Amino acid sequence: KAGVTQTPRYLIKTRGQQVTLSCSPISGHRSVSWYQQTPGQGLQFLFEYFSETQRNKGNFPGRFSGRQFSNSRSEMNVSTLELGDSALYLCASSSLGGRYNEQFFGPGTRLTVL
Amino acid sequence: EDQVTQSPEALRLQEGESSSLNCSYTVSGLRGLFWYRQDPGKGPEFLFTLYSAGEEKEKERLKATLTKKESFLHITAPKPEDSATYLCAVQAVGNAGGTSYGKLTFGQGTILTVHP
Repeated sequence: KAGVTQTPRYLIKTRGQQVTLSCSPISGHRSVSWYQQTPGQGLQFLFEYFSETQRNKGNFPGRFSGRQFSNSRSEMNVSTLELGDSALYLCASSSLGGRYNEQFFGPGTRLTVL
Repeated sequence: EDQVTQSPEALRLQEGESSSLNCSYTVSGLRGLFWYRQDPGKGPEFLFTLYSAGEEKEKERLKATLTKKESFLHITAPKPEDSATYLCAVQAVGNAGGTSYGKLTFGQGTILTVHP
């Protein structure tokens, strides 16, 4: 079974621009979560989508948004980029079956804001 | 607020020298505790899920255990290829007994280096 895929793998943007990142979950997984990873803050939860609905959101400003499509693929968007948005953005998918809520991560998108 | 603290921050071992990593957590209600391994430039790789105190899971040279306040990742006779950052995360039971959808709270990780 193919794993979680994320595109693009690397991005360089300048302050004030916006960016869209894409995530394709493991086949059959309906939940997609997004995380930001930085050296200072570690891994922090952004939001979670299930059946095209955002069910949970972390403590990030409204510049961070996302959506999920009917095939469970997900995108996240960051508008008006700031230098502090430079990070590794990780997507994780989960099948959400009973006790088994393990999340499986993609390779991430490395975003650099100049 | 859920909190996860991992210690030590970094651990250097000689090949074959067994040790343990610690993960202390504070959560209103534990839905699950997860261990991941992360190599540089890659996403975290799932290792174990533990759901209740007393539970143990094993995989090759790794063994994870869980108590009501902490979890340990024991590494037996490590090899250089075990070098990585090991991350611990918790998922809390949400309001009204539901799952806190999708949200894992991570510790800062332990950087493990195994020298040949």
